[in-house]
Amino acid sequence: GQQVMQIPQYQHVQEGEDFTTYCNSSTTLSNIQWYKQRPGGHPVFLIQLVKSGEVKKQKRLTFQFGEAKKNSSLHITATQTTDVGTYFCAGPSNDYKLSFGAGTTVTVRA
Amino acid sequence: GAGVSQSPSNKVTEKGKDVELRCDPISGHTALYWYRQSLGQGLEFLIYFQGNSAPDKSGLPSDRFSAERTGGSVSTLTIQRTQQEDSAVYLCASSLGRSYYEQYFGPGTRLTVT
Repeated sequence: GQQVMQIPQYQHVQEGEDFTTYCNSSTTLSNIQWYKQRPGGHPVFLIQLVKSGEVKKQKRLTFQFGEAKKNSSLHITATQTTDVGTYFCAGPSNDYKLSFGAGTTVTVRA
Repeated sequence: GAGVSQSPSNKVTEKGKDVELRCDPISGHTALYWYRQSLGQGLEFLIYFQGNSAPDKSGLPSDRFSAERTGGSVSTLTIQRTQQEDSAVYLCASSLGRSYYEQYFGPGTRLTVT
């Protein structure tokens, strides 16, 4: 079945630096969603991408959906301590179910 | 408005005992999902309910796990004869239905089996 892979598993970032996390699917996705889970918290929806090549921004976060709709990326600029947490991407595995990636856990060095 | 609620927030039980975990989804959400998250790990799908359709139980790890959803609203996840490897956070999520829609997660129940 459809699987979503995320890399890297861990990202250690110096405060103020940029980084990118990547999500790859074995099949074409109708849409892709991104969630953030703060330490000790639960996943919270960030954004959904639907169109091929779509780019969406939320302040310092930039989300992209690949042209072939099989990959996505999340780029964070000028990382802050508030960015700490685990970022999950998720794609539909059927009409009602999402397949979540394993997540990228971000830590920030002040 | 009210989000997804789960109870209890923490549960400590002895190996071999049965436990019930409860999830109250957002009103009007037709889809309800259960996930398991072990420490530092990703989200493991367990089961989902969609409207009046038969639930998708493909993620349940063993026949000790079962779930029901009454009246299309509240759901209960039951684990019988708990084992230490069942220790994890159990997360419930609800959505408007199809996988196009975002999922809203509850705060989770942390289960510890001693």
